Amino acid sequence: DQQVKQNSPSLSVQEGRISILNCDYTNSMFDYFLWYKKYPAEGPTFLISISSIKDKNEDGRFTVFLNKSAKHLSLHIVPSQPGDSAVYFCAASANFGNEKLTFGTGTRLTIIP
Amino acid sequence: ETGVTQSPTHLIKTRGQQVTLRCSSQSGHNTVSWYQQALGQGPQFIFQYYREEENGRGNFPPRFSGLQFPNYSSELNVNALELDDSALYLCASSVWDRRGGELFFGEGSRLTVL
Repeated sequence: DQQVKQNSPSLSVQEGRISILNCDYTNSMFDYFLWYKKYPAEGPTFLISISSIKDKNEDGRFTVFLNKSAKHLSLHIVPSQPGDSAVYFCAASANFGNEKLTFGTGTRLTIIP
Repeated sequence: ETGVTQSPTHLIKTRGQQVTLRCSSQSGHNTVSWYQQALGQGPQFIFQYYREEENGRGNFPPRFSGLQFPNYSSELNVNALELDDSALYLCASSVWDRRGGELFFGEGSRLTVL
């Protein structure tokens, strides 16, 4: 039972363009959503988060959008840079805290110079 | 600021054996969580410890157990290893914060069960 789904295993984007990573969830109890980035041989690192009371959160080049009615969130990176090449995980929590995160399977983003 | 460190980084065990994985939390963090990441999958929550007590558990059998020590370091123990236990085991520390604290992950311990 995959409660958090990232349907695109990989994505390639030209440097300087916008990268859009998508995530869908099925559990209506989720009220906090996070994106993590993972480089090879490193642990995931926190990127950006959004609570269910908001529909947008922005941090520099990174913006997360939440559509609760569609149970969908997306991460926008603009402009994309070569250092953004990594695996991106979407994660969700049901209690607005850092207990039990449910992760998606990840999307490998490749930025083409 | 010292980050989250895990040991060993790689290890190989045979089916039926027991394994202990160790984690040193980031300085000032009082909560530690363990996740299992199988190949091609996202991390799956095993359990969390807060002030040395288990504080939430995922869908893992009792042969997965843990400890958190007074200095907030932690161990993950797995008994009676099965082939499906082969995975990357990630430790994450945080400051208990119900407003949505950020998890800081270590590099992981890659376990191979033969």
